[in-house]
Amino acid sequence: DAKTTQPNSMESNEEEPVHLPCNHSTISGTDYIHWYRQLPSQGPEYVIHGLTSNVNNRMASLAIAEDRKSSTLILHRATLRDAAVYYCILRDVGGFNKFYFGSGTKLNVKP
Amino acid sequence: NAGVTQTPKFQVLKTGQSMTLQCAQDMNHEYMSWYRQDPGMGLRLIHYSVGAGITDQGEVPNGYNVSRSTTEDFPLRLLSAAPSQTSVYFCASSYSYSNQPQHFGDGTRLSIL
Repeated sequence: DAKTTQPNSMESNEEEPVHLPCNHSTISGTDYIHWYRQLPSQGPEYVIHGLTSNVNNRMASLAIAEDRKSSTLILHRATLRDAAVYYCILRDVGGFNKFYFGSGTKLNVKP
Repeated sequence: NAGVTQTPKFQVLKTGQSMTLQCAQDMNHEYMSWYRQDPGMGLRLIHYSVGAGITDQGEVPNGYNVSRSTTEDFPLRLLSAAPSQTSVYFCASSYSYSNQPQHFGDGTRLSIL
């Protein structure tokens, strides 16, 4: 099963952009890249997902490398409410699909 | 629209006791899964199901049983609770396609003494 690697923590200033990286060098051609975040004492929350092309939604943007071995979640203007643990996950379609979380990146946002 | 509902929210057990954590979803999702999250750690997959009557093991299945008799419900059973199973348990559901996001419940905080 393909796994992901993320930095343990990152820090950002409020209202500045944040780029959260993720490496997934063993990704297969049909794996979708999903991002979730977990606020303190809450369950994970879906943020965005993509396959090959860059994606935008109201929460964030997802930039996917051309070889798909890495991706970056972009928060355009960080707010204090964006302080959370961000998880990059590959959704495997082979047979019964599994959904493995790594340890994620803890994002601290400074006022 | 209830989404994914987990009960109970909190539970304290003694070592050796059994209990069932309940999970229900009202979105007609085929895929359901259980995770545990230990303090300061990421989520680890326990068991999952791709439809009624079909279940499989995740990363950390030992000590837990599941069954899926209906699309809506996916209970997690601890047959003989151990202190190592003290954790926060999350249930999730989604459609069974790789481009579909998972919806998570609010979690069950379980302490085993």
